[in-house]
Amino acid sequence: LAKTTQPISMDSYEGQEVNITCSHNNIATNDYITWYQQFPSQGPRFIIQGYKTKVTNEVASLFIPADRKSSTLSLPRVSLSDTAVYYCLVGDDEGFQKLVFGTGTRLLVSP
Amino acid sequence: DADVTQTPRNRITKTGKRIMLECSQTKGHDRMYWYRQDPGLGLRLIYYSFDVKDINKGEISDGYSVSRQAQAKFSLSLESAIPNQTALYFCATSVWDTNEQFFGPGTRLTVL
Repeated sequence: LAKTTQPISMDSYEGQEVNITCSHNNIATNDYITWYQQFPSQGPRFIIQGYKTKVTNEVASLFIPADRKSSTLSLPRVSLSDTAVYYCLVGDDEGFQKLVFGTGTRLLVSP
Repeated sequence: DADVTQTPRNRITKTGKRIMLECSQTKGHDRMYWYRQDPGLGLRLIYYSFDVKDINKGEISDGYSVSRQAQAKFSLSLESAIPNQTALYFCATSVWDTNEQFFGPGTRLTVL
């Protein structure tokens, strides 16, 4: 199974930009990189997905270098409500999209 | 997401009992998944189904079974519940060509 490595936790303050980097050395050629957000006692929520280079939507940006062995989720101007756990996922190497959740990064945003 | 519902939301049971957790979706997705989450940990895949006739074991299927009664319904059963199956269980759905999964609200199961 493909594995991902993320920092266990990060701290930030309101209004700052937060960048969370994920390593995924065994990503398969056709796999996408996907990020989810999870609040306590709730199911994860999809944030963004990308294959290479840069993807941006209304809530985040995703930067993926050419070798695709890592990716960085960028959250612009975080607020207190962005306090959550963020998961980086890639499909495994068995040729279909079976997501593997790691332990995620716990982001704490303070006033 | 209100389009994916799980019942019950909370359940307390005793060791050895058979338990069924149910998941229903109105999103029209073919793919459905069952995950468990233990405190402080990420989600682990128990079973997944790509269509009504397709059932696959995930990372931690021992002690669990599933039934895909229809495209919209995917049930998870604990044949003989044990305390270390105490966890938060999530159902999810997706379409075939994306990693975007839509999760239900979860079922908190406690096995005494």
